[in-house]
Amino acid sequence: ILNVEQSPQSLHVQEGDSTNFTCSFPSSNFYALHWYRWETAKSPEALFVMTLNGDEKKKGRISATLNTKEGYSYLYIKGSQPEDSATYLCAPNQGAQKLVFGQGTRLTINP
Amino acid sequence: DGGITQSPKYLFRKEGQNVTLSCEQNLNHDAMYWYRQDPGQGLRLIYYSQIVNDFQKGDIAEGYSVSREKKESFPLTVTSAQKNPTAFYLCASSRLDRAGYEQYFGPGTRLTVT
Repeated sequence: ILNVEQSPQSLHVQEGDSTNFTCSFPSSNFYALHWYRWETAKSPEALFVMTLNGDEKKKGRISATLNTKEGYSYLYIKGSQPEDSATYLCAPNQGAQKLVFGQGTRLTINP
Repeated sequence: DGGITQSPKYLFRKEGQNVTLSCEQNLNHDAMYWYRQDPGQGLRLIYYSQIVNDFQKGDIAEGYSVSREKKESFPLTVTSAQKNPTAFYLCASSRLDRAGYEQYFGPGTRLTVT
């Protein structure tokens, strides 16, 4: 089983501040890296799927980078808003249509 | 509306009973998945299926069984052999025709076994 580490486990950020967190994964046999946002009482929703080393993706105030050679991805949120409060999950795919999820980073935005 | 439905939302069972969790999708996705979430842990893969009448074990398949008789449906049975069945169960589906497919999740079923 892959070892996927997300840090920090939880994070409290003031509204308007920017923040980032990390996903670390084994760099061997890499196919893709997924990021999901999971809001309370909702289903996880895909944010990004990244496949190439050096990939950078952006959706509104949220962006992500990927380094497959060293096995990490960063997720950035610019100008945090209360609606950004959620658990952010990363999951590498090393083939066979299987994702391995990290424990997640629980983000709370304080108004 | 396209999506994934899971029923019921909450399920209570006595120890020793088998229980089946429903998962249906109308997204025309080939692949379907079952995950389990426990407090403080990430989602763990129980079973997945890429095509009708075929499925593979995930990382924690012991005590569970699945079937895939229709493309739209992927029910999960939690058997009495599962030692710690109380958990939150999520079903997901995805396309298979490209790398980097995102998974779409259902609302989940919270199973409590006493």
